[in-house]
Amino acid sequence: NAGVMQNPRHLVRRRGQEARLRCSPMKGHSHVYWYRQLPEEGLKFMVYLQKENIIDESGMPKERFSAEFPKEGPSILRIQQVVRGDSAAYFCASSPSQGLTYNEQFFGPGTRLTVL
Amino acid sequence: ELKVEQNPLFLSMQEEKNYTIYCNYSTTSDRLYWYRQDPGKSLESLFVLLSNGAVKQEGRLMASLDTKARLSTLHITAAVHDLSATYFCAVDNSGGSNYKLTFGKGTLLTVNP
Repeated sequence: NAGVMQNPRHLVRRRGQEARLRCSPMKGHSHVYWYRQLPEEGLKFMVYLQKENIIDESGMPKERFSAEFPKEGPSILRIQQVVRGDSAAYFCASSPSQGLTYNEQFFGPGTRLTVL
Repeated sequence: ELKVEQNPLFLSMQEEKNYTIYCNYSTTSDRLYWYRQDPGKSLESLFVLLSNGAVKQEGRLMASLDTKARLSTLHITAAVHDLSATYFCAVDNSGGSNYKLTFGKGTLLTVNP
């Protein structure tokens, strides 16, 4: 059973370009989460999605950032007009459907974004 | 706002020694998670602690949870070099959503021969 897949693993962009990060959840998981990790920091929640729905985007910057999880295909985190401060590791996690008493999330390998 | 604090942030240990990493959190939660991260890699789930007094052990690592004190500990017994990594604790907001994990800053553990 393949784990959470993310691509690309490394992404270099110049200021002002767009970055697209992809995440395929584990088989059987319908919940996707995106987190950002700055150097020397823990992970910070950005957004929680189910298929075709954004459930909570309270951790996502209001401008330039968007996320989607279409009916078919991977979840996409999109950053428009990137700035140097967007340089970070972006992790995707997935979990099975809610209803469990806890919510163990399984993390992908991350995409390391560098903005020049 | 839920806050999670780990200490120490940096820990340099000798092999075969014991040590403890502490994780304090600020609001009520019954669920605490410990993860390991190797440099440049993703997070590997180590333990899920679901109730007050929960204790789990795997090899040289043992985690416990005291929800009254809002404290979890990760105890390392007879450390070996392979345990060198960054360890994160995370808490979800049981009072509201249980999907939003709040992480500590991590403890960078280095085990020296």
